[in-house]
Amino acid sequence: DAGVIQSPRHEVTEMGQEVTLRCKPISGHNSLFWYRQTMMRGLELLIYFNNNVPIDDSGMPEDRFSAKMPNASFSTLKIQPSEPRDSAVYFCASSPLGQGYGYTFGSGTRLTVV
Amino acid sequence: AQSVAQPEDQVNVAEGNPLTVKCTYSVSGNPYLFWYVQYPNRGLQFLLKYITGDNLVKGSYGFEAEFNKSQTSFHLKKPSALVSDSALYFCAVRGSNDYKLSFGAGTTVTVRA
Repeated sequence: DAGVIQSPRHEVTEMGQEVTLRCKPISGHNSLFWYRQTMMRGLELLIYFNNNVPIDDSGMPEDRFSAKMPNASFSTLKIQPSEPRDSAVYFCASSPLGQGYGYTFGSGTRLTVV
Repeated sequence: AQSVAQPEDQVNVAEGNPLTVKCTYSVSGNPYLFWYVQYPNRGLQFLLKYITGDNLVKGSYGFEAEFNKSQTSFHLKKPSALVSDSALYFCAVRGSNDYKLSFGAGTTVTVRA
Protein backbone atom coordinates (compact mmCIF):
# COMPACT_ATOMS: atom_id res chain seq x y z
CA ASP A 1 0.00 0.00 0.00
CA ALA A 2 1.51 3.32 -1.08
CA GLY A 3 -0.39 5.27 1.53
CA VAL A 4 -2.07 8.60 0.91
CA ILE A 5 -0.43 10.28 -2.05
CA GLN A 6 -0.36 14.04 -2.43
CA SER A 7 0.95 16.13 -5.26
CA PRO A 8 2.80 18.32 -5.74
CA ARG A 9 5.09 18.18 -2.70
CA HIS A 10 6.01 21.82 -3.13
CA GLU A 11 4.25 24.61 -4.98
CA VAL A 12 5.40 28.18 -5.41
CA THR A 13 3.01 30.50 -7.16
CA GLU A 14 2.35 34.16 -7.60
CA MET A 15 -0.49 35.95 -5.90
CA GLY A 16 -3.64 35.80 -7.96
CA GLN A 17 -2.84 32.51 -9.64
CA GLU A 18 -4.97 29.40 -9.36
CA VAL A 19 -3.52 26.54 -7.34
CA THR A 20 -4.72 22.94 -7.40
CA LEU A 21 -3.62 20.39 -4.84
CA ARG A 22 -4.23 16.71 -5.42
CA CYS A 23 -4.81 13.72 -3.22
CA LYS A 24 -5.17 10.00 -3.77
CA PRO A 25 -6.54 8.28 -0.66
CA ILE A 26 -5.86 4.73 0.39
CA SER A 27 -7.98 2.28 -1.55
CA GLY A 28 -11.01 1.24 0.48
CA HIS A 29 -10.98 4.28 2.74
CA ASN A 30 -14.37 5.97 2.62
CA SER A 31 -13.50 9.21 4.38
CA LEU A 32 -11.15 11.92 3.14
CA PHE A 33 -10.01 15.03 4.97
CA TRP A 34 -8.16 18.19 3.95
CA TYR A 35 -6.14 20.01 6.61
CA ARG A 36 -4.03 23.14 6.61
CA GLN A 37 -1.09 23.59 8.98
CA THR A 38 0.59 26.88 9.85
CA MET A 39 2.75 28.00 12.74
CA MET A 40 0.19 30.56 13.82
CA ARG A 41 -2.99 28.50 13.60
CA GLY A 42 -1.74 24.94 13.94
CA LEU A 43 -3.70 22.14 12.26
CA GLU A 44 -7.04 23.22 10.80
CA LEU A 45 -9.66 20.95 9.26
CA LEU A 46 -10.85 22.51 6.01
CA ILE A 47 -13.33 19.96 4.68
CA TYR A 48 -14.13 16.29 4.80
CA PHE A 49 -15.89 13.81 2.58
CA ASN A 50 -17.64 10.52 3.29
CA ASN A 51 -18.18 8.29 0.28
CA ASN A 52 -17.21 11.17 -2.03
CA VAL A 53 -19.86 13.49 -0.56
CA PRO A 54 -18.79 16.66 1.28
CA ILE A 55 -20.04 16.40 4.86
CA ASP A 56 -18.60 19.46 6.55
CA ASP A 57 -16.92 22.37 4.77
CA SER A 58 -17.24 24.84 7.62
CA GLY A 59 -13.46 25.05 7.87
CA MET A 60 -13.00 26.33 4.34
CA PRO A 61 -11.74 29.85 4.96
CA GLU A 62 -13.26 31.69 2.00
CA ASP A 63 -15.03 31.26 -1.28
CA ARG A 64 -11.63 31.25 -2.90
CA PHE A 65 -11.23 27.71 -1.60
CA SER A 66 -13.07 24.78 -3.15
CA ALA A 67 -12.71 21.02 -2.92
CA LYS A 68 -14.02 18.16 -4.99
CA MET A 69 -14.00 14.41 -4.83
CA PRO A 70 -15.21 13.14 -8.20
CA ASN A 71 -14.53 9.50 -7.31
CA ALA A 72 -13.28 7.35 -4.48
CA SER A 73 -9.65 7.56 -5.54
CA PHE A 74 -9.13 11.26 -6.15
CA SER A 75 -9.71 14.63 -4.55
CA THR A 76 -8.63 18.17 -5.30
CA LEU A 77 -8.35 21.34 -3.26
CA LYS A 78 -8.35 24.47 -5.36
CA ILE A 79 -7.50 28.03 -4.39
CA GLN A 80 -8.50 30.73 -6.84
CA PRO A 81 -7.18 33.39 -6.66
CA SER A 82 -4.34 32.58 -4.29
CA GLU A 83 -3.03 35.06 -1.72
CA PRO A 84 0.19 35.18 0.33
CA ARG A 85 -1.75 34.34 3.51
CA ASP A 86 -2.67 31.00 1.96
CA SER A 87 0.95 29.91 2.33
CA ALA A 88 0.91 26.78 4.48
CA VAL A 89 1.33 23.04 4.39
CA TYR A 90 -1.82 21.31 3.18
CA PHE A 91 -2.42 17.73 4.26
CA CYS A 92 -4.82 15.16 2.96
CA ALA A 93 -5.82 12.23 5.16
CA SER A 94 -8.06 9.23 4.65
CA SER A 95 -9.77 6.78 6.91
CA PRO A 96 -12.18 3.87 6.80
CA LEU A 97 -15.65 4.74 8.00
CA GLY A 98 -16.16 4.10 11.69
CA GLN A 99 -15.22 5.77 14.94
CA GLY A 100 -12.53 3.27 15.82
CA TYR A 101 -10.30 4.18 12.94
CA GLY A 102 -7.61 6.83 12.89
CA TYR A 103 -6.43 8.77 9.89
CA THR A 104 -3.59 8.07 7.53
CA PHE A 105 -1.96 11.31 6.44
CA GLY A 106 -0.19 12.14 3.24
CA SER A 107 3.19 13.86 3.22
CA GLY A 108 1.62 17.21 2.51
CA THR A 109 1.96 19.98 -0.06
CA ARG A 110 3.98 23.01 0.99
CA LEU A 111 2.37 25.99 -0.72
CA THR A 112 4.15 29.32 -0.98
CA VAL A 113 2.30 32.24 -2.52
CA VAL A 114 4.54 35.20 -3.34
CA ALA B 1 -18.86 19.31 20.88
CA GLN B 2 -15.61 17.47 21.28
CA SER B 3 -12.25 18.99 22.11
CA VAL B 4 -8.71 18.18 23.12
CA ALA B 5 -6.32 20.12 25.31
CA GLN B 6 -2.57 19.69 25.34
CA PRO B 7 -1.56 21.97 28.21
CA GLU B 8 2.14 22.08 27.39
CA ASP B 9 3.44 23.72 24.23
CA GLN B 10 6.88 22.25 24.85
CA VAL B 11 8.38 19.39 26.82
CA ASN B 12 12.13 19.12 27.31
CA VAL B 13 13.79 16.01 28.71
CA ALA B 14 17.23 14.47 28.82
CA GLU B 15 17.89 11.32 26.87
CA GLY B 16 17.23 8.25 28.97
CA ASN B 17 14.72 10.01 31.21
CA PRO B 18 10.99 9.28 31.20
CA LEU B 19 8.88 11.30 28.79
CA THR B 20 5.27 12.31 29.40
CA VAL B 21 3.08 14.36 27.07
CA LYS B 22 -0.23 15.38 28.57
CA CYS B 23 -3.65 15.31 26.96
CA THR B 24 -7.16 15.87 28.28
CA TYR B 25 -10.34 15.61 26.29
CA SER B 26 -14.02 16.43 26.25
CA VAL B 27 -16.47 14.34 24.26
CA SER B 28 -20.03 13.03 24.27
CA GLY B 29 -20.32 9.32 24.80
CA ASN B 30 -17.40 6.94 24.69
CA PRO B 31 -14.13 8.47 23.51
CA TYR B 32 -11.90 7.11 20.79
CA LEU B 33 -8.42 8.50 21.49
CA PHE B 34 -5.34 8.73 19.32
CA TRP B 35 -1.76 9.95 19.40
CA TYR B 36 0.14 11.09 16.34
CA VAL B 37 3.73 12.21 15.85
CA GLN B 38 5.03 14.66 13.25
CA TYR B 39 8.68 14.86 12.33
CA PRO B 40 9.98 17.95 10.49
CA ASN B 41 8.70 18.27 6.93
CA ARG B 42 6.61 15.13 7.26
CA GLY B 43 2.95 14.25 7.66
CA LEU B 44 1.42 13.05 10.91
CA GLN B 45 2.13 9.42 11.74
CA PHE B 46 -0.12 7.24 13.87
CA LEU B 47 1.40 6.14 17.19
CA LEU B 48 -1.38 4.43 19.11
CA LYS B 49 -5.07 4.48 19.92
CA TYR B 50 -7.53 3.63 22.65
CA ILE B 51 -10.89 2.24 21.61
CA THR B 52 -11.90 -0.05 24.45
CA GLY B 53 -10.40 -2.58 26.82
CA ASP B 54 -7.20 -2.16 28.83
CA ASN B 55 -6.55 1.38 29.94
CA LEU B 56 -2.86 1.06 29.11
CA VAL B 57 -2.26 1.06 25.39
CA LYS B 58 1.07 0.22 23.79
CA GLY B 59 2.08 1.66 20.45
CA SER B 60 4.95 2.26 18.08
CA TYR B 61 8.54 3.15 19.01
CA GLY B 62 8.12 2.15 22.65
CA PHE B 63 5.36 4.64 23.40
CA GLU B 64 2.37 3.90 25.57
CA ALA B 65 -0.60 5.87 26.79
CA GLU B 66 -2.93 5.50 29.72
CA PHE B 67 -6.63 6.18 29.44
CA ASN B 68 -8.12 7.64 32.60
CA LYS B 69 -11.86 8.05 32.33
CA SER B 70 -12.39 9.87 35.63
CA GLN B 71 -9.77 12.46 34.76
CA THR B 72 -10.66 12.49 31.04
CA SER B 73 -6.99 12.14 30.23
CA PHE B 74 -4.90 10.18 27.78
CA HIS B 75 -1.27 10.97 28.55
CA LEU B 76 1.48 9.68 26.28
CA LYS B 77 4.51 8.13 27.95
CA LYS B 78 7.84 6.61 27.16
CA PRO B 79 10.02 5.14 29.93
CA SER B 80 13.34 6.16 28.37
CA ALA B 81 13.39 8.95 25.79
CA LEU B 82 15.70 9.05 22.79
CA VAL B 83 17.04 12.05 20.92
CA SER B 84 15.19 10.70 17.87
CA ASP B 85 11.88 11.14 19.76
CA SER B 86 12.21 14.89 19.30
CA ALA B 87 9.14 15.85 17.29
CA LEU B 88 5.68 17.41 17.44
CA TYR B 89 3.04 15.25 19.12
CA PHE B 90 -0.70 15.53 18.64
CA CYS B 91 -3.49 14.05 20.71
CA ALA B 92 -6.86 13.53 19.01
CA VAL B 93 -10.34 12.43 20.05
CA ARG B 94 -13.48 11.27 18.30
CA GLY B 95 -16.82 10.84 20.00
CA SER B 96 -19.19 7.99 19.36
CA ASN B 97 -21.42 10.26 17.28
CA ASP B 98 -18.83 12.03 15.19
CA TYR B 99 -17.02 11.14 12.00
CA LYS B 100 -14.14 13.52 12.45
CA LEU B 101 -11.18 13.62 14.81
CA SER B 102 -10.53 16.73 16.87
CA PHE B 103 -6.82 17.44 17.30
CA GLY B 104 -5.01 19.23 20.08
CA ALA B 105 -2.66 22.10 19.36
CA GLY B 106 0.36 19.86 19.60
CA THR B 107 3.31 19.56 21.99
CA THR B 108 6.88 19.96 20.81
CA VAL B 109 9.14 17.43 22.48
CA THR B 110 12.86 18.06 22.62
CA VAL B 111 15.13 15.33 23.93
CA ARG B 112 18.66 16.53 24.64
CA ALA B 113 21.65 14.23 24.49
